[in-house]
Amino acid sequence: DSGVTQTPKHLITATGQRVTLRCSPRSGDLSVYWYQQSLDQGLQFLIQYYNGEERAKGNILERFSAQQFPDLHSELNLSSLELGDSALYFCASSPLSSSSYNEQFFGPGTRLTVL
Amino acid sequence: QQQVKQSPQSLIVQKGGISIINCAYENTAFDYFPWYQQFPGKGPALLIAIRPDVSEKKEGRFTISFNKSAKQFSLHIMDSQPGDSATYFCAAIAGRRALTFGSGTRLQVQP
Repeated sequence: DSGVTQTPKHLITATGQRVTLRCSPRSGDLSVYWYQQSLDQGLQFLIQYYNGEERAKGNILERFSAQQFPDLHSELNLSSLELGDSALYFCASSPLSSSSYNEQFFGPGTRLTVL
Repeated sequence: QQQVKQSPQSLIVQKGGISIINCAYENTAFDYFPWYQQFPGKGPALLIAIRPDVSEKKEGRFTISFNKSAKQFSLHIMDSQPGDSATYFCAAIAGRRALTFGSGTRLQVQP
């Protein structure tokens, strides 16, 4: 158990809908990363937050957005869903302390199925 | 320049054998190279990692070999066990940035 929690575990929805995925980082970790895992694209970075502020963006679509709240949990919002958005969505957390390398610990993921 | 190339795509090894997975990178800004193990339906789990100032790191049956001049690194699993059957991802990070993953290797250890 990495200490990172994600809900829900599974999500089935229809095209055009909007969903919210939730992530709670490990205790004390300030940074949260969101990744998408699909069969054809592998594991790809979407977005990073650090202590409530957006730090970096990867291959995140404009239909997707995220935020990190004062209690450090994060939410990934996916809207106008398309069939191709079906994937596993992982969040990872990292302490990003100056004394350690950027070790990232992954949650169990949310499997999104868009029908 | 951000790409990490991983091979082979799949690997079948007999129990007790050595599993070897290779990765290569281009971006010289990468300063941390972790390997992740992923079982079906689970999130990637950090297995072992190495910094570019070290040529080898060993943890139990898992060893990373790192060749900075060739920009290559590899994972060796000694005495491979059926419980090691999983997908392995190499990755690289530059500073506080996100992970850049290889494409993954599906390892099957036959009893």
